[in-house]
Amino acid sequence: DAKTTQPNSMESNEEEPVHLPCNHSTISGTDYIHWYRQLPSQGPEYVIHGLTSNVNNRMASLAIAEDRKSSTLILHRATLRDAAVYYCILRTLSSGSARQLTFGSGTQLTVLP
Amino acid sequence: DVKVTQSSRYLVKRTGEKVFLECVQDMDHENMFWYRQDPGLGLRLIYFSYDVKMKEKGDIPEGYSVSREKKERFSLILESASTNQTSMYLCASSLVGLKDTQYFGPGTRLTVL
Repeated sequence: DAKTTQPNSMESNEEEPVHLPCNHSTISGTDYIHWYRQLPSQGPEYVIHGLTSNVNNRMASLAIAEDRKSSTLILHRATLRDAAVYYCILRTLSSGSARQLTFGSGTQLTVLP
Repeated sequence: DVKVTQSSRYLVKRTGEKVFLECVQDMDHENMFWYRQDPGLGLRLIYFSYDVKMKEKGDIPEGYSVSREKKERFSLILESASTNQTSMYLCASSLVGLKDTQYFGPGTRLTVL
């Protein structure tokens, strides 16, 4: 899986939107962009994924650049419960055998009350 | 919702003991994974399984073995625990195929004295 680059940390105020960036300049045409997050003392949890078009779900939105070399996870209204490490991961489209997730260092999001 | 459960949240063992970590998932997923997570090293894959009685080594299998006798259960075994196996252990499961989102358990923090 290709490499991603994220800022080590970001801060946000409660109830404000948060934009978490991810650069993936070596992304290939078959790579999906996945986001996971890990809350303190918990296992990682899936947030969202996309290929080319922007995606929305109940947790977040994913905005993907037109050239796909970068993407942004958007939390529309940060809460204290959103404080976590956010991981951006590229996954090559593949059916069949299991594949591991390769987590980088992620972005530690701090939400200020 | 998918549920992945791990037998213990915290475990303390002595050097040389045999340790069993149990993981159970309730969504009929084919794939199951064991990772360990250490500060500064991220998540590293120990073993995974893509079917009952089938297993594959991950990046760091030394000192570990696994067992998958039933589809819903994947066990990690430390044959003779050592202090460098003190870590957070995370189990995950996923479907085979294109939608291979991984669902993680809450983790087991193992301390080997």
